[in-house]
Amino acid sequence: EAGVTQFPSHSVIEKGQTVTLRCDPISGHDNLYWYRRVMGKEIKFLLHFVKESKQDESGMPNNRFLAERTGGTYSTLKVQPAELEDSGVYFCASSQSSSYNEQFFGPGTRLTVL
Amino acid sequence: AQRVTQPEKLLSVFKGAPVELKCNYSYSGSPELFWYVQYSRQRLQLLLRHISRESIKGFTADLNKGETSFHLKKPFAQEEDSAMYYCALELLASGAGSYQLTFGKGTKLSVIP
Repeated sequence: EAGVTQFPSHSVIEKGQTVTLRCDPISGHDNLYWYRRVMGKEIKFLLHFVKESKQDESGMPNNRFLAERTGGTYSTLKVQPAELEDSGVYFCASSQSSSYNEQFFGPGTRLTVL
Repeated sequence: AQRVTQPEKLLSVFKGAPVELKCNYSYSGSPELFWYVQYSRQRLQLLLRHISRESIKGFTADLNKGETSFHLKKPFAQEEDSAMYYCALELLASGAGSYQLTFGKGTKLSVIP
């Protein structure tokens, strides 16, 4: 069974540019999460989808970040315009149910904003 | 606010020595705690969870509500245990009906041959 996949694995962009990260969850997993780890800090929750609906987006840092999950399958996270402090590793995870359930993580996308 | 603290950034032990990775939490609700591990060049994966009360790869963790701790222990460290270990608290986001993980900063375990 394929695990959670993320694309790209690494992205280097300049401040002010736009970047779109993609996550493909494990097939059949309705719950999809985005997390982020910036340098020296802990992994932090960004948002949670249940199928195509945003269940919780309380962790999104500001309105430069837009997440979508069209059709309840893959998800994208767009950063527009990117700022220096957006640099970090963006993780996606998926799970079958939302509570007490193992979240399976993708390998992450390392974003570097210059 | 909920918080997970892992006081040690790096822990080095000799092979065969006991290991204890510390984790303390603050949460007003009933906690559900997890340990995740990330081996070199691999993705983050679940090691064990409090609710299962099981031992994985020789590791155990006991929830101590009085001390608000969930320390990870192994009696005899192996070289293949070298990795980053993250303690995580699952909480219910009030009003959102969403369960999210709150992570500690992680502890890098290095097992010396």
